[in-house]
Amino acid sequence: EDQVTQSPEALRLQEGESSSLNCSYTVSGLRGLFWYRQDPGKGPEFLFTLYSAGEEKEKERLKATLTKKESFLHITAPKPEDSATYLCAVYGNKLVFGAGTILRVKS
Amino acid sequence: ETGVTQSPTHLIKTRGQQVTLRCSSQSGHNTVSWYQQALGQGPQFIFQYYREEENGRGNFPPRFSGLQFPNYSSELNVNALELDDSALYLCASSWGQGGNEKLFFGSGTQLSVL
Repeated sequence: EDQVTQSPEALRLQEGESSSLNCSYTVSGLRGLFWYRQDPGKGPEFLFTLYSAGEEKEKERLKATLTKKESFLHITAPKPEDSATYLCAVYGNKLVFGAGTILRVKS
Repeated sequence: ETGVTQSPTHLIKTRGQQVTLRCSSQSGHNTVSWYQQALGQGPQFIFQYYREEENGRGNFPPRFSGLQFPNYSSELNVNALELDDSALYLCASSWGQGGNEKLFFGSGTQLSVL
């Protein structure tokens, strides 16, 4: 059965303090790995799709990378508005989400 | 371009009742997926509809059923509600039936079963 484990469960950063979120996965036949951002009371918002090991994508202060077993979401010099829950999901024959990492950035 | 809209935003039901949740897809999208998100958890896939046909289902019992209409809007029906059905129900639309397309989510319906 496809599985996604995200760590840490929660992360508190000071503004400007860079860090990384981890997404470990097991899937039979990866057809895509997704990162979403979810704000309280809202649905997830798409950030990135990665398809193969070695692929990287960037958007503003966020950079996602992919290996055969895990993905990282690197956050460079975060700002308070980056505070949200970050969800990782893999698609094998259906989309399976992890439980997310709650990120809080303090000014 | 209108986004994905869901109604109602909040709902309170009692155990054993039935509920219908509604979703309007983003303009131009022909696929709708439904997810259940319990507090502190990631969304769990319920099912997907592509051009009015069910196109994949997660590990949910048959009392969870759905419909997609010709305008690609959708309904999620849950019969014989149980306490564990309390959750945020998310609808997502996309273009295509591959399953690995980018999803556009609505803000969800918060269902409380008492």
